Amino acid sequence: EPEVTQTPSHQVTQMGQEVILRCVPISNHLYFYWYRQILGQKVEFLVSFYNNEISEKSEIFDDQFSVERPDGSNFTLKIRSTKLEDSAMYFCASSENRSNEKLFFGSGTQLSVL
Amino acid sequence: TQLLEQSPQFLSIQEGENLTVYCNSSSVFSSLQWYRQEPGEGPVLLVTVVTGGEVKKLKRLTFQFGDARKDSSLHITAAQPGDTGLYLCAGARMGGYQKVTFGTGTKLQVIP
Repeated sequence: EPEVTQTPSHQVTQMGQEVILRCVPISNHLYFYWYRQILGQKVEFLVSFYNNEISEKSEIFDDQFSVERPDGSNFTLKIRSTKLEDSAMYFCASSENRSNEKLFFGSGTQLSVL
Repeated sequence: TQLLEQSPQFLSIQEGENLTVYCNSSSVFSSLQWYRQEPGEGPVLLVTVVTGGEVKKLKRLTFQFGDARKDSSLHITAAQPGDTGLYLCAGARMGGYQKVTFGTGTKLQVIP
């Protein structure tokens, strides 16, 4: 069964460092998303991406965050200068169509900022 | 901001009991999804309901979308230890198509 894959599964970084989280969405999907989940809290929307541009972003997704689809398969989330409060599980998701009725999530990247 | 409140937040029951989890909002959604999440894993989609009043069954799980498309429920019959996990509802808003908003979650523990 096709799945969304994320790497790395765990990332530890120092405050102020840049991190890139990588995702390979399901191959025929056209809509891509990043969500995050701080420990013990709910899953929060960060950004959605379609046709090589951001289609929606939340207030969490400030200038420190960026997304990119550098080739036909990868979808990345970059945090330019990490803060302690960026520590969370980051989930990539993809969906086939615009109706957004079926989101498929990756297993996540646990980011720890020290 | 669209909020989805789930209740109860925590539920611990004995194997074989029935339970219902509720997901409520003041907002109208075009569709509502239920996910199950295991520790350290991403949410896994269980079902999507799109029509007001719709009922869907997945083995021992019954999902219902409210008539007004503002709320939903998940009913589990004869719960099994394998049902243990975090259950999340998530709504896709009317008129939009990009963002799914997640509920606060219900942590279920089924004791053998």
